[in-house]
Amino acid sequence: DAGITQSPRHKVTETGTPVTLRCHQTENHRYMYWYRQDPGHGLRLIHYSYGVKDTDKGEVSDGYSVSRSKTEDFLLTLESATSSQTSVYFCAIREGTELTEAFFGQGTRLTVV
Amino acid sequence: QKEVEQNSGPLSVPEGAIASLNCTYSDRVSQSFFWYRQYSGKSPELIMSIYSNGDKEDGRFTAQLNKASQYVSLLIRDSQPSDSATYLCAVNRRTGGFKTIFGAGTRLFVKA
Repeated sequence: DAGITQSPRHKVTETGTPVTLRCHQTENHRYMYWYRQDPGHGLRLIHYSYGVKDTDKGEVSDGYSVSRSKTEDFLLTLESATSSQTSVYFCAIREGTELTEAFFGQGTRLTVV
Repeated sequence: QKEVEQNSGPLSVPEGAIASLNCTYSDRVSQSFFWYRQYSGKSPELIMSIYSNGDKEDGRFTAQLNKASQYVSLLIRDSQPSDSATYLCAVNRRTGGFKTIFGAGTRLFVKA
């Protein structure tokens, strides 16, 4: 299995609170991605990173921010959690060339009440 | 128009039949295409990658790519109940860096 770990695996939080999810890799891959998965929507890209301090938005970035200060860690922050952000969040990593696949973490189930 | 589109299904086939899953993409310059399988409650895992026009076979799985039509498909021969899962099509799209964009997935049921 690719060395990719998400934490926490499960979290329940209250509306309006900030939440940070962590993705840690031991593969030294250049690309890291955060997705959310909801029924009927597949995997939707939130933000991604193509290097330390290099990040860009995906299709559903509103309400989320990211940081990557080290190659191995990619943090996703929900600045003020809302019930619409209840979802399963997946982190993925990929090597630097175009012709490579993504490897996924175990996922984080986040519930905002 | 979504960047990657799939028929959401569900697709139901009898055991031993061929399951055919389809995907279209919008970015004509994309060069790399992937099929992932996801069991309920689990993470997606790679089944096939394809980069050139034509067919690519791996065991019971065949990926087909037609760049002119912007179309990717996955055939599963001799379908087994253990193939019952959601199948996700993905494309690496160049935009500054490379985004990996997924379709909504097709749910497959293989009936014993």
